[in-house]
Formats: sequence, structure tokens, C-alpha cells
Amino acid sequence: AQTVTQSQPEMSVQEAETVTLSCTYDTSENNYYLFWYKQPPSRQMILVIRQEAYKQQNATENRFSVNFQKAAKSFSLKISDSQLGDTAMYFCAFIPWGAQKLVFGQGTRLTINP
Amino acid sequence: GAVVSQHPSRVICKSGTSVKIECRSLDFQATTMFWYRQFPKQSLMLMATSNEGSKATYEQGVEKDKFLINHASLTLSTLTVTSAHPEDSSFYICSARAPRLVEETQYFGPGTRLLVL
Repeated sequence: AQTVTQSQPEMSVQEAETVTLSCTYDTSENNYYLFWYKQPPSRQMILVIRQEAYKQQNATENRFSVNFQKAAKSFSLKISDSQLGDTAMYFCAFIPWGAQKLVFGQGTRLTINP
Repeated sequence: GAVVSQHPSRVICKSGTSVKIECRSLDFQATTMFWYRQFPKQSLMLMATSNEGSKATYEQGVEKDKFLINHASLTLSTLTVTSAHPEDSSFYICSARAPRLVEETQYFGPGTRLLVL
């Protein structure tokens, strides 16, 4: 079975700090996609960043970047210069090529303090 | 682009009534739509997958006669909670996939909060 594990239920940092959220996954597939979604208090799920497993280069989106370690099956999210609006639940998710269902982690609740 | 809407955003109903939730992809054609349920402080739980023009595929433990899903067009899927009971109270989220946009990426609606009295 494919699983996604987020080992940090909650994290809290000060505004402007850098924070890293961890995610590990278990799969026997070689080709897949990984995602980080953000769910703020409004509960709207927002795609933060996406990574194709066949790409060695880590994906970046402005202040958000990932550290994708395929051999270790690790996919951490780094948020630089954190802002109050980054306060949200963050979900790591995985999907093999050609599959339909996303596999979600349990989520990490991130709080950015002023 | 890739906007998904849901309606209503919030609904309160009496026990025994049926509630319909609509999910629309506003600026793209969604070959596949998904329905999730989310309990407070928990992750999303997939209920069913629906492909346009065919019957939905339900996850184990989800009652297909209770949660009716219709995907009549490439931009609309509906979830009907039939004979709702208080234990059906939850946050329901839909998502849509458009391979022609970005492969394997799901775009989520804003969710519907259902409260059954």
C-alpha cells in the first residue's frame, strides 16, 4: 500500500523565519508526482507546489521550495521569509503516473506568529 | 485558471431530508471529479471518483445509495446526501482533474459545510 507520512502534527515559527515541513512516502512505483497543498482557515485547498519524480531538480515557487530525495522517499517543503498568511494546514500528497487517486498525509498545522 | 466552485458553501438541514451539493469546473473541462469528506483537524478522506458519463466509483465503506454522485457533464458533478442524519454532518470537498492543464493535478473547490440537525 502507498502511504504518506507527515511526522510533525504542529509547528510554530516567528514571522520572517524559515520553516521546513517534512514528508516521507512509501511506494514501489518509479514514476509519480508529489504535491504540497495548503489549507488555510477558510478551508480552501490550494496547490502550493508540484514535483515530478523523474525530475532531479527541486521545484520552487517564489518563497516555497522542496527538497526531493527520491532514494530516501522524502519530500520536504521549505517556506522562506514566512508570512502571517502562511498560517494553514499543509498536506503532502502523492500520486503514481496514470493513477487517479491522491494519497494524502495527515497534515501539519503551521502557525506563523507575529 | 483551474477554478473549481462548490455550491452551497454551507447548508443546514433537518434529519431525513436530502441535500444536493454542486461542483463545477469554471474554466476547464474536468474528465474526472472527486468527492472528499473532511472531519475537523483531519486529512481528506476520498469518498468517490466520478468520470464524466459513467457511474462513480466509491471507496470501501462509503454507501453509494446514501451518497449519490452524478457527473453529467465535463464541468459539473453533484453529490446528493440522501436521508441525511446528524452523523453525516461534515465538510465535503470536491476536486477536479484536467490532464490537459497539468497532468495528475487536482484542483479543489472551496468546500461545503453540512450540518444535519
